[in-house]
Amino acid sequence: EVQLAESGGESIQPGGSLRLSCAVSGLSVSDNSMNWVRQAPGKGLEWVSVSQSGGGKYYAESLEGRFTISRDTSKNVVYLQMDRLRVDDTAVYFCARAVIDLWTGSYFDYWGQGTLVTVSP
Amino acid sequence: DIQLTQSPSFLSASVGDRVTITCRASQDIKNYLAWYQQKPGKAPKVLIYGASTLQSGVPLRFRGSGSGTEFTLTITSLQPEDFATYSCQQLNTYPPYTFGQGTKLEIK
Repeated sequence: EVQLAESGGESIQPGGSLRLSCAVSGLSVSDNSMNWVRQAPGKGLEWVSVSQSGGGKYYAESLEGRFTISRDTSKNVVYLQMDRLRVDDTAVYFCARAVIDLWTGSYFDYWGQGTLVTVSP
Repeated sequence: DIQLTQSPSFLSASVGDRVTITCRASQDIKNYLAWYQQKPGKAPKVLIYGASTLQSGVPLRFRGSGSGTEFTLTITSLQPEDFATYSCQQLNTYPPYTFGQGTKLEIK
């Protein structure tokens, strides 16, 4: 059974840093496209970042270089380092596995339960 | 970056109704579109991928169609468990994998 479990969310002041973790079981983070998606309170889903199986890393432009995605293959964990946090980074952060198939279509199939990050003065 | 615009943002319907949600892309994304259902406090669940392929286990009353820049999600004969928020997502060749803003489907 595949399971993704996020942790690390907490309340923090603007300008601070936080590292989120996504512990994965049932699949290998090194062989998969692992993503972070966030959802601000009462708002829609926003794609944040991806760590691709081939090593590529991409980020939403809106982050302005403040976030860094990484993975520890020995622990099978994906991380999201968030620096210079702003009030508008307040959200539930989900990790999700992407199935990438350019023939039949790509999609996010496995998701964690999310971890809440609150940025407030 | 590719933008996705869903309409309507809110939809009120009754059990047994047929509803349609539209997702428009700012440029051609061929059929690289997925639809998700999300209930409060839960992670999204994929319903449709490749614009029209039903994910395993998803009821046949969910149907996706479209290609290029215009896509639709249709739910025929709404069931009580279908009242939720629905979001489209484009997964074109390269990231970012943008989401639409969501459509909240409420009971009338």
